[in-house]
Amino acid sequence: KQEVTQIPAALSVPEGENLVLNCSFTDSAIYNLQWFRQDPGKGLTSLLLIQSSQREQTSGRLNASLDKSSGRSTLYIAASQPGDSATYLCAVPDNYGQNFVFGPGTRLSVLP
Amino acid sequence: GAVVSQHPSRVICKSGTSVKIECRSLDFQATTMFWYRQFPKKSLMLMATSNEGSKATYEQGVEKDKFLINHASLTLSTLTVTSAHPEDSSFYICSARGKPSGRALYEQYFGPGTRLTVT
Repeated sequence: KQEVTQIPAALSVPEGENLVLNCSFTDSAIYNLQWFRQDPGKGLTSLLLIQSSQREQTSGRLNASLDKSSGRSTLYIAASQPGDSATYLCAVPDNYGQNFVFGPGTRLSVLP
Repeated sequence: GAVVSQHPSRVICKSGTSVKIECRSLDFQATTMFWYRQFPKKSLMLMATSNEGSKATYEQGVEKDKFLINHASLTLSTLTVTSAHPEDSSFYICSARGKPSGRALYEQYFGPGTRLTVT
C-alpha cells in the first residue's frame, strides 16, 4: 500500500529565502507525482505535475524534482514571498492508478 | 481551465439532521468523482469513489449508510451526510477526473471544499 510522507511538517522562514520541501513515497512504481498548494479553509491548487519519465518540472519560482528509484521528490521555492504561505501537499497515484495518496503536508509560513 | 465547484461552501446544521453537498464539473465531463474528508491540519483522506450511474466504492471505515453518494450525471455528484453528529464536522473536498477540451491527459481537478459544522 502506497504511503507518502513529507518533511518538514512545518517551516517558518523570512522573506527572500530559498527553501526545499521534501516528499517520500514507499512504492516507486508510480507514473506521476503532483504537488499542490492549499490555503487555509480552501481547496487544492495544482502547482506541478511530474510524469515518471521526467526528472523535474519548473513553473516560475517553483521547481519540483522526482527520483523514482529512491522514492523521493523535492519542491524548491526560490526567493520566497509572504504570499507563498500555505500548506504544500505532494500526492502520488494509488496502486490502482485512479486516485491520489496524499502526504500530510508541509505548512509554510513566510515572514515579511 | 477545468473548474470544479462545490455548494455550499459552508454549512451549519443541527445534530440529527441531514445535509447535502454538491460537486459539479463545470466545463468537462467527469468519468469519476472522488470525495475526501480533511480534519484540521491533516491531509486529505479519501472517503469514496463514484462513477456515473453506478454505486460508489467506499474506503474502509467509511459508513456508506451515513455518507450517501449519488453520481447522477457526468457533471454532478452529491454527498449527503445523514443524521449528522458533531464528530462529522469537517472539511469535505470533492474532485473530478476527466479530460477537458484542449487537454491531452485525464487529470483530477479539485473543488474548493465545503466546511460542515454540526452543532
